[in-house]
Amino acid sequence: AQKVTQAQTEISVVEKEDVTLDCVYETRDTTYYLFWYKQPPSGELVFLIRRNSFDEQNEISGRYSWNFQKSTSSFNFTITASQVVDSAVYFCALILASGTYKYIFGTGTRLKVLA
Amino acid sequence: KAGVTQTPRYLIKTRGQQVTLSCSPISGHRSVSWYQQTPGQGLQFLFEYFSETQRNKGNFPGRFSGRQFSNSRSEMNVSTLELGDSALYLCASSLASGIYVEQFFGPGTRLTVL
Repeated sequence: AQKVTQAQTEISVVEKEDVTLDCVYETRDTTYYLFWYKQPPSGELVFLIRRNSFDEQNEISGRYSWNFQKSTSSFNFTITASQVVDSAVYFCALILASGTYKYIFGTGTRLKVLA
Repeated sequence: KAGVTQTPRYLIKTRGQQVTLSCSPISGHRSVSWYQQTPGQGLQFLFEYFSETQRNKGNFPGRFSGRQFSNSRSEMNVSTLELGDSALYLCASSLASGIYVEQFFGPGTRLTVL
């Protein structure tokens, strides 16, 4: 079965706190891709990061960092020193690349950053 | 540089009707993808068009169809609307087709089926 689980439905933090959004995926494919998207209240999705199954390097981009661990099938996203503008729904997605691409999205985590 | 434009932004239809949604990609982008977002099913990929050809398709019934024109603009059509088709339909454009090309999303068309 192929699945993405974002167990945290909603998280509230106070500005400047660090927050980690969890993403656990299931697939038997050896080649796959993992994405994170942000959906602010305006509605459009914003691409944040892409990682392929052969690249377990963690990544840091400003206040954002991602931890990819194949051993636990997780691709977690951490925001350091959160800001009110980080308030959004965050989606983790698994894309399988055998033949045509198959997209599997998590249900999203709503992050509320309070001033 | 203008972003991805979707028209209309809001639409109300009744069951059994058909609807056409439009997406104008960023200038120079040749790939357009469509996604459906509902409270029940979440985000789901519908299809992708590149150079007027469907490159990729999600698991949706044949009532959902699309096309792309020579200027890369894309339309999505849903026939015989059902209540469950009520959703936010998102369009994304990218320079080319493929996983490693960044997609830019439009604001979406919110379709309500009564």
